[in-house]
Amino acid sequence: AQSVTQPDIHITVSEGASLELRCNYSYGATPYLFWYVQSPGQGLQLLLKYFSGDTLVQGIKGFEAEFKRSQSSFNLRKPSVHWSDAAEYFCAVGAGDSSYKLIFGSGTRLLVRP
Amino acid sequence: EPEVTQTPSHQVTQMGQEVILRCVPISNHLYFYWYRQILGQKVEFLVSFYNNEISEKSEIFDDQFSVERPDGSNFTLKIRSTKLEDSAMYFCALRQGTSTDTQYFGPGTRLTVL
Repeated sequence: AQSVTQPDIHITVSEGASLELRCNYSYGATPYLFWYVQSPGQGLQLLLKYFSGDTLVQGIKGFEAEFKRSQSSFNLRKPSVHWSDAAEYFCAVGAGDSSYKLIFGSGTRLLVRP
Repeated sequence: EPEVTQTPSHQVTQMGQEVILRCVPISNHLYFYWYRQILGQKVEFLVSFYNNEISEKSEIFDDQFSVERPDGSNFTLKIRSTKLEDSAMYFCALRQGTSTDTQYFGPGTRLTVL
């Protein structure tokens, strides 16, 4: 069965520091991978996605993610975190059956220290 | 990014009552989804809807749930007899067509069952 694991429940970084959020997936075929961000009380905003091709994908707000098939990972990175990046981050895999539903990880809450 | 609105933003209801949550896409989409997020937990797939019928549903989506597009624009989720455990944030999502299309999420409806 498809699944997504985000091993870090909370991460705290200082403003200006680099960030890496981990995501591992379990999926039999080529995965469609996504990162969404959710600010408190808000909906889900797409940060970036990977379908095929270049394994390093760029997203909005200065985020990037790298797909590593050998490690079944799709980690999200940002070189310099801003206070406004504090939010919950969800990794998701698109299940390639008829509905292409999204299967989400449990999320990582990012706290930014001034 | 396609605009999606959901109404109401917050619904409070008594246990056993029926609720209807609405999703209004601004542009044309083919695939519609409902997800829910219980407070502090991950986002879970409920149901996908294509060509005026359910294409896939999760085991959460039991007989008390139903979906429809009554007028070709609004997409609704009905919960016939609400339970305390139905309290959650409900998100509508839309996808335009192919498997590689992004799902865009609405801002959500917070349902509180008392």
